[in-house]
Amino acid sequence: QSVLTQPPSVSAAPGQKVTISCSGSISNVGREFVSWYQHLPGTAPKLIIYDNNKRPSGIPDRFSGSKSGTSATLGITGLQTGDEAAYYCGTWDHSLNAGVFGGGTKLTVL
Amino acid sequence: EVQLLESGGGLVQPGGSLRLSCVASGFTFSDHVMNWVRQAPGKGLEWVSLIYGRAQAGHYIDPVKGRFTISRDNSKNTLFLQMNNLRAEDTAVYYCARCPSIDSCHGFRGDYWGQGALVTVSS
Repeated sequence: QSVLTQPPSVSAAPGQKVTISCSGSISNVGREFVSWYQHLPGTAPKLIIYDNNKRPSGIPDRFSGSKSGTSATLGITGLQTGDEAAYYCGTWDHSLNAGVFGGGTKLTVL
Repeated sequence: EVQLLESGGGLVQPGGSLRLSCVASGFTFSDHVMNWVRQAPGKGLEWVSLIYGRAQAGHYIDPVKGRFTISRDNSKNTLFLQMNNLRAEDTAVYYCARCPSIDSCHGFRGDYWGQGALVTVSS
């Protein structure tokens, strides 16, 4: 059972938009920055959103992030087959004094 | 170019020990918090441990407290994870990950990750 809650899977057609939610609590999402990672099997996880809504250099603006209260959301527009991956939200939990991730969301581009 | 390269994984019996290493290059290693994150087969990412840039005492998830020790040698640009009394549930790919500053991860902002080292605990 992960500290942060994400839907197990989402799907949409190429060119469409999806959103992935990340629900936490006042001890983590509610008081800390949230990051999002894209992870393909056998590869290193890749940071795609940090500080709730900022994109690292090289990440296209099709990817966006937002946060409100104890929930965060990742948005991906103009879906491409290359976006198929698992997506994780992550932050720090001040009650556990530990890093925490969501359980991951598998994105399928139909 | 920032690079992180893990090594030291392998097959170990329950109760055994392993030491993972992560050699860093392309940045000033001592200026960054470093982490270990793992992924068990078929499971999601799980943060394991963190150490600050000046190598103060680290943080750990509860299941590994007292068994795992994180350390770093800033003179050799290397991060370590000493894993003792290993259990089957420790079987995972272990990644090292860098945070952007010397004393904070800004939530958990792992801006660079290694390719991972596989640890298998089995008899």
